[in-house]
Amino acid sequence: AQSVTQLDSHVSVSEGTPVLLRCNYSSSYSPSLFWYVQHPNKGLQLLLKYTSAATLVKGINGFEAEFKKSETSFHLTKPSAHMSDAAEYFCVVSASKGYSTLTFGKGTMLLVSP
Amino acid sequence: EAGVTQFPSHSVIEKGQTVTLRCDPISGHDNLYWYRRVMGKEIKFLLHFVKESKQDESGMPNNRFLAERTGGTYSTLKVQPAELEDSGVYFCASSQPLAGGFTSTDTQYFGPGTRLTVL
Repeated sequence: AQSVTQLDSHVSVSEGTPVLLRCNYSSSYSPSLFWYVQHPNKGLQLLLKYTSAATLVKGINGFEAEFKKSETSFHLTKPSAHMSDAAEYFCVVSASKGYSTLTFGKGTMLLVSP
Repeated sequence: EAGVTQFPSHSVIEKGQTVTLRCDPISGHDNLYWYRRVMGKEIKFLLHFVKESKQDESGMPNNRFLAERTGGTYSTLKVQPAELEDSGVYFCASSQPLAGGFTSTDTQYFGPGTRLTVL
């Protein structure tokens, strides 16, 4: 069994300040972890994924996430927010065991103010 | 390269009617998935095709939902008869395994979704 908890439904930041979106996971097997972003009227776009290689994963648009097994966390960060980062972000887990479905968190809406 | 496309983008129907959603995956992708997001809830898995075969349909809510993928290309998801609780956004995704077999680490590419409203 696997589950994901996104700790904040909404996060508000000012442009140019750091972004932190929190995610905790639970998985019976070694997990694969993903962050997806959805901009309005667009499909979900993969930001980055962790698949048991380096624990610090760099993604697109300056985002990165660190896999911390001891804390069962996979928080998403960005040093400096941009207006275009305003969107909904999803933390996703699957079990690295051959075949597994994706389990989504409820999403975090990132609001960026000028 | 074209991404995953879905049609229609929006559909408003009355309870008891039938609706068919279509998904065109990225060309050459063997894996095709359907997901649904009900308002206020998380995105949930519905089913998974490998080519034309249903690999996993454990997420289908009930027998009012029928998914097909004839010929292993596009897929349709039919809801008949629709109920109020079927309202939500239906997403389709596709992927192609790196090593010729399915793995949970594959990147799934998502379409923009179909917003279904049942009145």
